[in-house]
Amino acid sequence: SQQGEEDPQALSIQEGENATMNCSYKTSINNLQWYRQNSGRGLVHLILIRSNEREKHSGRLRVTLDTSKKSSSLLITASRAADTASYFCATDAGQAGTALIFGKGTTLSVSS
Amino acid sequence: GAVVSQHPSWVICKSGTSVKIECRSLDFQATTMFWYRQFPKQSLMLMATSNEGSKATYEQGVEKDKFLINHASLTLSTLTVTSAHPEDSSFYICSAPQSGRAVNEQYFGPGTRLTVT
Repeated sequence: SQQGEEDPQALSIQEGENATMNCSYKTSINNLQWYRQNSGRGLVHLILIRSNEREKHSGRLRVTLDTSKKSSSLLITASRAADTASYFCATDAGQAGTALIFGKGTTLSVSS
Repeated sequence: GAVVSQHPSWVICKSGTSVKIECRSLDFQATTMFWYRQFPKQSLMLMATSNEGSKATYEQGVEKDKFLINHASLTLSTLTVTSAHPEDSSFYICSAPQSGRAVNEQYFGPGTRLTVT
């Protein structure tokens, strides 16, 4: 099963611009995580935000979480061509060690 | 950090044959591992939960007799696609949480691309 939607499904921007991706989910969560996947490759863990956190930063990444709206956003600032990839949010509702449920993903294309 | 490997990274097989995919946690023990499937341009879908020493738990719509899972040790889970058909062609990814951690941080394998001809 999938939790919900990512928005937009595809995003094309120029290098240096910011990219914002949104994720909505349906059920109560424990944590929300964002992953990146380059074409045909495995997943790279970007950032984890707990349900009691509202915002988190890591380098050029900023994640927000609004549990009342059941939504999260990932902002990539000053994007680079190397940021071109698919981005997925993933949630879990249980204790540590439970499966992640992935959103549908946003495909980001950054052109130089 | 913790590493999960998968083998093979890609495999091509003929329709009707079986294929085994291995998922190993290299430097930690994993009593639980998860198997996901990803079709082209789609997201990851959870297939099953692999439990060391007990039967796997399958998600709705996943045939347990077709996708055999064996979690033989604390570092190895295998997924066998039996009597594979072209519609089973997909990217299969495993993940494992590190036991004893408070936060649900999963470590993903690099994936196995299966092509059934």
